[in-house]
Amino acid sequence: TQLLEQSPQFLSIQEGENLTVYCNSSSVFSSLQWYRQEPGEGPVLLVTVVTGGEVKKLKRLTFQFGDARKDSSLHITAAQPGDTGLYLCAGQIGANNLFFGTGTRLTVIP
Amino acid sequence: NAGVTQTPKFQVLKTGQSMTLQCAQDMNHEYMSWYRQDPGMGLRLIHYSVGAGITDQGEVPNGYNVSRSTTEDFPLRLLSAAPSQTSVYFCASSYSWTNANTGELFFGEGSRLTVL
Repeated sequence: TQLLEQSPQFLSIQEGENLTVYCNSSSVFSSLQWYRQEPGEGPVLLVTVVTGGEVKKLKRLTFQFGDARKDSSLHITAAQPGDTGLYLCAGQIGANNLFFGTGTRLTVIP
Repeated sequence: NAGVTQTPKFQVLKTGQSMTLQCAQDMNHEYMSWYRQDPGMGLRLIHYSVGAGITDQGEVPNGYNVSRSTTEDFPLRLLSAAPSQTSVYFCASSYSWTNANTGELFFGEGSRLTVL
């Protein structure tokens, strides 16, 4: 059983469409991060959220941390082919452990 | 600007063989960790270290050993490889890792291991 479940697992959309990816858990996290991973590379950090209800924007990407700090969402507006990749959420519990979600593989078709 | 360097990038082993995946970082990071990535499972923590001489187990430590004799290096050893250890392995580091510090993890490019 995964601590963090992401949905959908796969998503294929046309360029210009909007999309939302979800990251859910029954555990409370002290912080939550979103990473993007491209083929043959390691994940790269996009954002960290630490406060319940917090919303952060990174250009066309909007990240929200749930009020209870158990879930998060990533919304992409007007998706571009360059957004294609594997999106991973990761929640921190305690001092030393970061647990990763199952991942959402996004394909944006030109 | 090397960051986190992993070697080898690809390796094929036979069941029962041993090997070491190397990881080195040049950012003077205290925290280093090893993850394995399998389809549909995300990244799972194998072992981690919060400083030289200190290591601890993650979610899936069985079959793997680590040591941290220097700040820079954190090798992962497979003593007797099994097909279940076929995976992509990632080393990651961070300046520090405490509740008060939501440190960014810097990842290497990964090592793809196949055990026949």
